[in-house]
Amino acid sequence: GAGVSQSPRYKVAKRGQDVALRCDPISGHVSLFWYQQALGQGPEFLTYFQNEAQLDKSGLPSDRFFAERPEGSVSTLKIQRTQQEDSAVYLCASSLTRTSGSAETQYFGPGTRLLVL
Amino acid sequence: AQSVSQHNHHVILSEAASLELGCNYSYGGTVNLFWYVQYPGQHLQLLLKYFSGDPLVKGIKGFEAEFIKSKFSFNLRKPSVQWSDTAEYFCAATSNNNNDMRFGAGTRLTVKP
Repeated sequence: GAGVSQSPRYKVAKRGQDVALRCDPISGHVSLFWYQQALGQGPEFLTYFQNEAQLDKSGLPSDRFFAERPEGSVSTLKIQRTQQEDSAVYLCASSLTRTSGSAETQYFGPGTRLLVL
Repeated sequence: AQSVSQHNHHVILSEAASLELGCNYSYGGTVNLFWYVQYPGQHLQLLLKYFSGDPLVKGIKGFEAEFIKSKFSFNLRKPSVQWSDTAEYFCAATSNNNNDMRFGAGTRLTVKP
C-alpha cells in the first residue's frame, strides 16, 4: 500500500473491556513497531517484529498487552481488561530492513486513539 | 539510561523568523538521530536523519540539523519559518544496540502569519 494504515482510528472502551488494534504496514517492510503516545508526550516503544518474529517486547507495560504478526505482514495489538491509564494514541511504524536499532527510516501510521472510560 | 530530551515545549514565532529547536540525547556508542514532524491532523513523517558522515544534515522543506557529538546535541534549524511549519516536532534516536527508537516529548511550534 501507499503507507502504513491503522484501524480503527478511534476507539472508546469501557474499563475492563478487551480491545484489538490493527496495523497494516507498507508492503514488503520487514520490521514493524508499536508505540504508545500519551497526551503531551512523545511516542514510547512497546514492541518490535521482524517478519512474524516478535524480537523485543520490553516496552509492553503489562501482561494485559499482547501483540502478534502471524504472517509477517498485518499486526494486531491487543489490550485485555483495559484500564483508564491505557488511554493514549497507539502508533504503528514499519521499516524496510531487517536491522533493528538502525538508521533506517520508520514510516508511521495515523495511529489509533484509545479512550478508556 | 538512554533518553532524548527536548527542552522547548511550545515555541511561538512570527513568519520569517529563524527557528532553532533543541534536542539532546543520552546514548552510549553509535547513535542515529532523527527529526520527525507531525502536522495538525496528520501522521508523523521524517524531516531528516543523521547516521554518519557530514554532521550538518539537510532535510525537506528547508530544515537542517547539526550533530554535535561533544554536546550530545542534534538541534533543528530553519532560517525563515512559514505559517505552514506550524506543527509538532519530535527528536528521536536509535542505537545499534537496541531495537527501540526513543523520542523526546516534542516541541509544538506555532507560526503566526
